[in-house]
Amino acid sequence: ELKVEQNPLFLSMQEGKNYTIYCNYSTTSDRLYWYRQDPGKSLESLFVLLSNGAVKQEGRLMASLDTKARLSTLHITAAVHDLSATYFCAVENNYGQNFVFGPGTRLSVLP
Amino acid sequence: DAGVIQSPRHEVTEMGQEVTLRCKPISGHNSLFWYRQTMMRGLELLIYFNNNVPIDDSGMPEDRFSAKMPNASFSTLKIQPSEPRDSAVYFCASSWGLPTDTQYFGPGTRLTVL
Repeated sequence: ELKVEQNPLFLSMQEGKNYTIYCNYSTTSDRLYWYRQDPGKSLESLFVLLSNGAVKQEGRLMASLDTKARLSTLHITAAVHDLSATYFCAVENNYGQNFVFGPGTRLSVLP
Repeated sequence: DAGVIQSPRHEVTEMGQEVTLRCKPISGHNSLFWYRQTMMRGLELLIYFNNNVPIDDSGMPEDRFSAKMPNASFSTLKIQPSEPRDSAVYFCASSWGLPTDTQYFGPGTRLTVL
C-alpha cells in the first residue's frame, strides 16, 4: 500500500527565512505532485516531478525529487507572507493508479 | 475562460437521499478528476476520466458512489443513498492530458449529510 508522509505538519516561519518541507513515500514511484491550498479555498497545482533528479522552480518555491530515497522536497527561499497556505504532496505509483496525498504542511509566514 | 465550474457550491441533505454533484471542465481539456477532502481522511482521488472514459476508479469508496462523463464538457458524481460520513468538500479538476499535466481545480462543493 502506498503511504505518503510530510514533515513538518505545521511550520511557522518569519519572512525572509528559508525552509524545506519534506515528502516521503513508501513504494516505487517516479511521479510526484505538489499543490497549494489557501484556507477555505480550492487547490492549485504547483509542480509535477516525473523523474529522478527532477527539479522545478517557480518564484520562491523549488521542488525536487529523489526516487531512490523516495523523497521530495519543497524549498522555500526568503519566505513572504503570501506563501502562507497548506502544501500537499501527492504520489502516483508506477502503475498509474493509487494516487495518494500526504497530510499537508500548514505554513504560516509571520511578518 | 471561466475555469472549472462546479455545482452546487453547497449542498445540505438528509441521510438516505440521493445527491448529484456536477462539474464542467475547462473547454479543450480531456482529463477530469474528482477529489474528496475531509478532516479525517484528508485529500483523496476518487476517480479520473480521460477522453470521457474512467481510467482509475480505485478511490471510489463504495457502490453508493458512481461517476459519469457523458461528454467532454460535463461530469457527475452521484451518491445514493447518502450517509453522514459522506460529508466533505468535493473538488473537480481538469487537465489537457493525464495527471502529469497541470490540473486546474474547481471551487469545490461542500456537502453536508445530516
